[in-house]
Amino acid sequence: DAKTTQPTSMDCAEGRAANLPCNHSTISGNEYVYWYRQIHSQGPQYIIHGLKNNETNEMASLIITEDRKSSTLILPHATLRDTAVYYCIVRVPYSSASKIIFGSGTRLSIRP
Amino acid sequence: DSGVTQTPKHLITATGQRVTLRCSPRSGDLSVYWYQQSLDQGLQFLIQYYNGEERAKGNILERFSAQQFPDLHSELNLSSLELGDSALYFCASSVQESSGNTIYFGEGSWLTVV
Repeated sequence: DAKTTQPTSMDCAEGRAANLPCNHSTISGNEYVYWYRQIHSQGPQYIIHGLKNNETNEMASLIITEDRKSSTLILPHATLRDTAVYYCIVRVPYSSASKIIFGSGTRLSIRP
Repeated sequence: DSGVTQTPKHLITATGQRVTLRCSPRSGDLSVYWYQQSLDQGLQFLIQYYNGEERAKGNILERFSAQQFPDLHSELNLSSLELGDSALYFCASSVQESSGNTIYFGEGSWLTVV
């Protein structure tokens, strides 16, 4: 799996949009971008994934650049409960043994 | 609630002992994954099973073993425990072997070795 680069930490004011960047410059054509988050010592929670088109669900939006070398996860109206470590992962979901390999992630702090 | 159930939630045991962690995947999921999270190493992939067969292996120690049973639940066996094995152990599951429908995690089992 290709590696990703994320800021170690970020903060955002409550109610504002949180934009979390991720670089994946060595991503290959069949690799998807996945985002997970882990709220203090809880199980990692799936947020969203995409291949090349922008995606949106009830939790977040995912913006992938045209060259697919980077992406941004957007939490539109951050709340205190969004404080967590966010992981950007690239993987081929349909390979024979496609486990998720986690990096260090971005520690997002939401301030009141 | 992800639908993945892990037991026990907390476990304290002594060095040299053996423990078994249990995981019940989401209904219908055939693939089970085990991860270890310790303070200094983040989330480490250990092993994956699909429909009873081992599919992928990560940084799993020889003292650790796992299996997936016909009813699809899985157990992670940790033996000759050392202080450094103290960690949070997560189980995850997905529908397909290749996880096309993404992977969902349980809430983990806290293991403390004293």
